[in-house]
Amino acid sequence: DAGVIQSPRHEVTEMGQEVTLRCKPISGHDYLFWYRQTMMRGLELLIYFNNNVPIDDSGMPEDRFSAKMPNASFSTLKIQPSEPRDSAVYFCAVAEDAFKNEQYFGPGTRLTVT
Amino acid sequence: AQSVTQPDIHITVSEGASLELRCNYSYGATPYLFWYVQSPGQGLQLLLKYFSGDTLVQGIKGFEAEFKRSQSSFNLRKPSVHWSDAAEYFCAVRDTNSGKSTFGDGTTLTVKP
Repeated sequence: DAGVIQSPRHEVTEMGQEVTLRCKPISGHDYLFWYRQTMMRGLELLIYFNNNVPIDDSGMPEDRFSAKMPNASFSTLKIQPSEPRDSAVYFCAVAEDAFKNEQYFGPGTRLTVT
Repeated sequence: AQSVTQPDIHITVSEGASLELRCNYSYGATPYLFWYVQSPGQGLQLLLKYFSGDTLVQGIKGFEAEFKRSQSSFNLRKPSVHWSDAAEYFCAVRDTNSGKSTFGDGTTLTVKP
C-alpha cells in the first residue's frame, strides 16, 4: 500500500479563492482525520470520519471550511473563500480504529493564501 | 478537557549522548498516550504508545517512554542519539471515550556531530 496520499502537496492561492485539498486513505482504515498544523496553534484536529460519516467536526474553525467523504477511497477538505490566516499545513490521517491504533499520516498539503 | 505540555521547545544534544524529551498531560483518568516524530516536510510517524500495563514501553528506532501516573508524565528517552534522530517530536493524549487526540506543541531536536 502506498500509504495516505494527499494532493496537492503545495497550494498557493489568492485570498477569496476556493481551495480543495484531497486525501486518499489506506484501504481498510475506517477512520479518517483532518488536521491543521501552524506555528501558532500547533496540530489541531479539524474533523474526523468513521465509515465515511462525519463524527466530530467541532474543530472546524468556520463555516468557510467543509469536509466530505463520499466514499471509503476519497475525502476532501474545502475552504471557500480562503483567507491568509488559513495558511498552514493540512494533514490527513487514517486509523483502523479511533482509540488504540496508530494514526497514519499523509505527507500534508502546504497551503499559502496571499 | 485534556491537554498536553511539552516544556522544551528546542533541545540540542551531541551524537551518541542520551536524550530525554518531557511530556506532561492533563486528563481525568489514564489516557492513551503516544509519541510521534515528524521529519521536515513529512507527516507524523508513531514511535510508541501506552494504554495500560507495563509503564515502560519500547518503540521503534531505539526509543522508549515511561508512564508515571503520579507525575502525569510520559517522557521519551533514547540512550544514544544518532544524527538521523534530528526531527520534531510530538506527545499526544487520546481521550479514551471519544478517540480524539490532543497533541503537544512539539520539541525540536537538533543533533550535534
